[in-house]
Amino acid sequence: GAVVSQHPSWVICKSGTSVKIECRSLDFQATTMFWYRQFPKQSLMLMATSNEGSKATYEQGVEKDKFLINHASLTLSTLTVTSAHPEDSSFYICSAARGETQYFGPGTRLTVL
Amino acid sequence: KQEVTQIPAALSVPEGENLVLNCSFTDSAIYNLQWFRQDPGKGLTSLLLIQSSQREQTSGRLNASLDKSSGRSTLYIAASQPGDSATYLCAVRGSEKLVFGKGTKLTVNP
Repeated sequence: GAVVSQHPSWVICKSGTSVKIECRSLDFQATTMFWYRQFPKQSLMLMATSNEGSKATYEQGVEKDKFLINHASLTLSTLTVTSAHPEDSSFYICSAARGETQYFGPGTRLTVL
Repeated sequence: KQEVTQIPAALSVPEGENLVLNCSFTDSAIYNLQWFRQDPGKGLTSLLLIQSSQREQTSGRLNASLDKSSGRSTLYIAASQPGDSATYLCAVRGSEKLVFGKGTKLTVNP
């Protein structure tokens, strides 16, 4: 149990377009989901924490108008990268909390041309 | 601000060797510490979770220890195998969130 999926697993887009990434907890309900970004050879950096039915809490330095997070249900959170630029190219990983344990998705590789 | 450091950044060993990965953290006020495995281009797989009140956890060939007062944890891998090749991440949980180290990239050579 405790499986988290992400879709898509990879995406290539043109600069200026928007990209939506979905994160789903498949076999449990998650009131809290997290979005991380990982650059090559770097650690995972928390971008934001989303709670079902409320606004996401963004970490310092993360633009909330650029990275739109929606946690519409207990099993789905979405991250939309708006007006993507090449510097947004990264590996995005979501995580869903069940109790005190976080379960991680397989990640989404975003490449912005 | 919590900072997590992992040493070494990379490690290459022959198959069968026992090895130790190190993790240190600056703020000892943690709830738990977790070790993850990450394969290239993939997400994270949780290996071991140690609560702040515990000293160690074991799972198969893996043993993780925690010395909260000194801000250190080690991950011991016994009888390493080529399939153990991956990046190992250490993460500590403070009041609300996990803080990750940069990881140790392990290569086990057959």
